[in-house]
Amino acid sequence: ILNVEQSPQSLHVQEGDSTNFTCSFPSSNFYALHWYRWETAKSPEALFVMTLNGDEKKKGRISATLNTKEGYSYLYIKGSQPEDSATYLCAFKGGGADGLTFGKGTHLIIQP
Amino acid sequence: DAGVIQSPRHEVTEMGQEVTLRCKPISGHDYLFWYRQTMMRGLELLIYFNNNVPIDDSGMPEDRFSAKMPNASFSTLKIQPSEPRDSAVYFCASSPPGHGNTIYFGEGSWLTVV
Repeated sequence: ILNVEQSPQSLHVQEGDSTNFTCSFPSSNFYALHWYRWETAKSPEALFVMTLNGDEKKKGRISATLNTKEGYSYLYIKGSQPEDSATYLCAFKGGGADGLTFGKGTHLIIQP
Repeated sequence: DAGVIQSPRHEVTEMGQEVTLRCKPISGHDYLFWYRQTMMRGLELLIYFNNNVPIDDSGMPEDRFSAKMPNASFSTLKIQPSEPRDSAVYFCASSPPGHGNTIYFGEGSWLTVV
């Protein structure tokens, strides 16, 4: 059983503040690390797919980094807005596997 | 473009009844995944297909669960008989050919078994 952990489980952030949270995953047999954004009553939407150690990806105010040697990824949100409120999921794909193993997510609430 | 389409969106059924969830993947995608979301366990992979063939069903909780993919544009997940502990959101997802590609989720089927 693959262990994909996300922390914190939930996070309250004031509008305008920046924030970050963590995904840890197995450091062996790594193939890819995915980040998804999931709003209540909608389907999870892909944010990033990261494959190389040291990768940094950015989409607007959201960015992510990847360290495959130590098995962690950070997701950063700069200048949080109410529409950023969602659950952020990371998912690990190992070599030879086709399915993704998801963490339980970080539930982010942006307070006006 | 049509995304992954799931039906029903919501279902409430009595314990012991058969439940069938349906999924239409994105055209051209050759991987189809069934996931279950619960508060306790998060998103769990139940089974996935590649080119309509089941590849890994090790996540299927027990014999009451079965999944089929008779063709490239349709899959079902069946629970018979259903139990209250099966209450969850069931997501279907698909991805295009190639290892490591993004998977695209449907909006989920919210199942409540009473």
